[in-house]
Amino acid sequence: DVKVTQSSRYLVKRTGEKVFLECVQDMDHENMFWYRQDPGLGLRLIYFSYDVKMKEKGDIPEGYSVSREKKERFSLILESASTNQTSMYLCASRPSVGKADGYTFGSGTRLTVV
Amino acid sequence: RKEVEQDPGPFNVPEGATVAFNCTYSNSASQSFFWYRQDCRKEPKLLMSVYSSGNEDGRFTAQLNRASQYISLLIRDSKLSDSATYLCVVQGNTGFQKLVFGTGTRLLVSP
Repeated sequence: DVKVTQSSRYLVKRTGEKVFLECVQDMDHENMFWYRQDPGLGLRLIYFSYDVKMKEKGDIPEGYSVSREKKERFSLILESASTNQTSMYLCASRPSVGKADGYTFGSGTRLTVV
Repeated sequence: RKEVEQDPGPFNVPEGATVAFNCTYSNSASQSFFWYRQDCRKEPKLLMSVYSSGNEDGRFTAQLNRASQYISLLIRDSKLSDSATYLCVVQGNTGFQKLVFGTGTRLLVSP
């Protein structure tokens, strides 16, 4: 089974801090995604990457950046954390574009910004 | 209008009941469709893909109506363990075929 691992399950950070969320997948998937999930809003796509060093903005990229230096790792960066970035962050991967299968998700990072 | 719309519920049903969820999508060019299950405070997990001809997996049946742009999920003989949120998910044919998620329908199965 594909495993997608997120480095932290729970995280508490202060407003203005730079925050790194790490995601690693072990099945050589080309595509990786970062979502946030909020009550009543569902999952919203922040950024995705279709290959190493490639990135595309999703629906809500403001306040975030990403890094994909290696195929297995996709990092989400909150440049200056704000309280409205308190959320559940989910990383996902899939083999490649054109594969009709769904995604495999990591177990999520619940981030609280105080 | 949201790209994928679902009734948030909750649907409260007794064990053994049959329950159905519907979902509508706005992009007629959407190509692939899925139901995901999400337990409280856990990540979404793929429950089943939805095929044009309809498909069944044990107690679960998924249907797709492209003309009306809706997807359904039927659960027969509900179990307590079916209590979860069910996410309707649509994959487009553009933009790297990203998945678009509905906000989910919550199901509570009681003894």
